[in-house]
Amino acid sequence: GENVEQHPSTLSVQEGDSAVIKCTYSDSASNYFPWYKQELGKRPQLIIDIRSNVGEKKDQRIAVTLNKTAKHFSLHITETQPEDSAVYFCAASKAGTYKYIFGTGTRLKVLA
Amino acid sequence: EAGVAQSPRYKIIEKRQSVAFWCNPISGHATLYWYQQILGQGPKLLIQFQNNGVVDDSQLPKDRFSAERLKGVDSTLKIQPAKLEDSAVYLCASSFPLGPGGVRAFFGQGTRLTVV
Repeated sequence: GENVEQHPSTLSVQEGDSAVIKCTYSDSASNYFPWYKQELGKRPQLIIDIRSNVGEKKDQRIAVTLNKTAKHFSLHITETQPEDSAVYFCAASKAGTYKYIFGTGTRLKVLA
Repeated sequence: EAGVAQSPRYKIIEKRQSVAFWCNPISGHATLYWYQQILGQGPKLLIQFQNNGVVDDSQLPKDRFSAERLKGVDSTLKIQPAKLEDSAVYLCASSFPLGPGGVRAFFGQGTRLTVV
């Protein structure tokens, strides 16, 4: 069945450094890849997404890259700040089914 | 803009009791999802509705879990009888299609269930 693997499970960076989280998906028909940020006790919030017809998308300090051939995509956060500390989830979806399959999450800690 | 509404926010029950959760999706969103999120894990899809029809319930433990979405709007998820391992946050989400590519989903606050 469909599967999304996410690495690393935990990540600690110094404030101001960059953070990279990677996900690999199994279903080659997946065509939409969102990233969610979940703070403790709160709902997952969509922070950025990318469709399969583009290779990279950027929004201020966050960016997502997609490699369709290798079936992986990554979240990049630059100039990290303490408020970036949260759990980040990737997901994969495909048109027609509207199903969302989530990765296992990455706990990011930004150390001041 | 109104978001996905869920209730209750918290629920504590004893094992073998029953419990029900309610979700009201964003207006106009045809697709509704129920996810189970165990502490420290990613959301696991339990059931997905398209309007009032079930699209995927392959991971729903049907011997104890049931869900319905009457009239294609609100949805309820029920657990009967509850087990200790059902302790989790139950997230409801709804989505709209992004043209030919994928769907964008929004989550409710979730219901934190503790089974004792």
